Amino acid sequence: DIQMTQSPSSVSASVGDRVTITCRASHGISSWLAWYQQKPGKAPKLLIYAASSLQSGVPSRFSGTGSGTDFTLTISSLQPEDFATYYCQQGNSLPRTFGGGTKVEIK
Amino acid sequence: QVQLQESGPGLVKPSQTLSLTCTVSGGSISSGSYYWSWIRQPAGKGLEWIGRIYTSGSTNYNPSLKSRVTISVDTSRNQFSLKLTSVTAADTAVYYCSREGGIAAALDIWGQGTMVTVSS
Repeated sequence: DIQMTQSPSSVSASVGDRVTITCRASHGISSWLAWYQQKPGKAPKLLIYAASSLQSGVPSRFSGTGSGTDFTLTISSLQPEDFATYYCQQGNSLPRTFGGGTKVEIK
Repeated sequence: QVQLQESGPGLVKPSQTLSLTCTVSGGSISSGSYYWSWIRQPAGKGLEWIGRIYTSGSTNYNPSLKSRVTISVDTSRNQFSLKLTSVTAADTAVYYCSREGGIAAALDIWGQGTMVTVSS
């Protein structure tokens, strides 16, 4: 299985801050990487697919970069509705695997 | 647009079989090149991929659960289902159904999730 490692596991930030989350794959996955946002009691929501493509309807303050084994999700200017947990997921091979999550908390 | 809804018992006894159904609305489960997937999440923990099915009936399972999992599809009812046998407390989780689109294998549509507790 491909292991997905996210860092940090949590981050405290203020509204307007730039936030960067990293995800590392144990083996190269090309650009087969997705990012999800999950709020308490809700299902995950797809933000980014193919490492850098923005899902329809997702605000442009979200962006993704990377290929191979190292990826980042950036929120350019944190908004109140962005406080949530974020997960990466690889789609290169089976079984699909997720990172452990990064909780973005209010500072 | 396509929506997914999980249904099934919220309480299952240890050693019994967990059975859930996901109903697809707003579109045909047979249209497009999609895989229909199950993912679970224990309380306060991360996401675990259980497996998926294509509308042809072809399946893929997580090796960690493969001996206990069966995913099936009923195209006439626009549903797909999950069966997990010999459950223990470790199988207590929120179970989500989801659609894996052709776009880089991302899970683009999710059900709201259903909580399943394994307890006597």
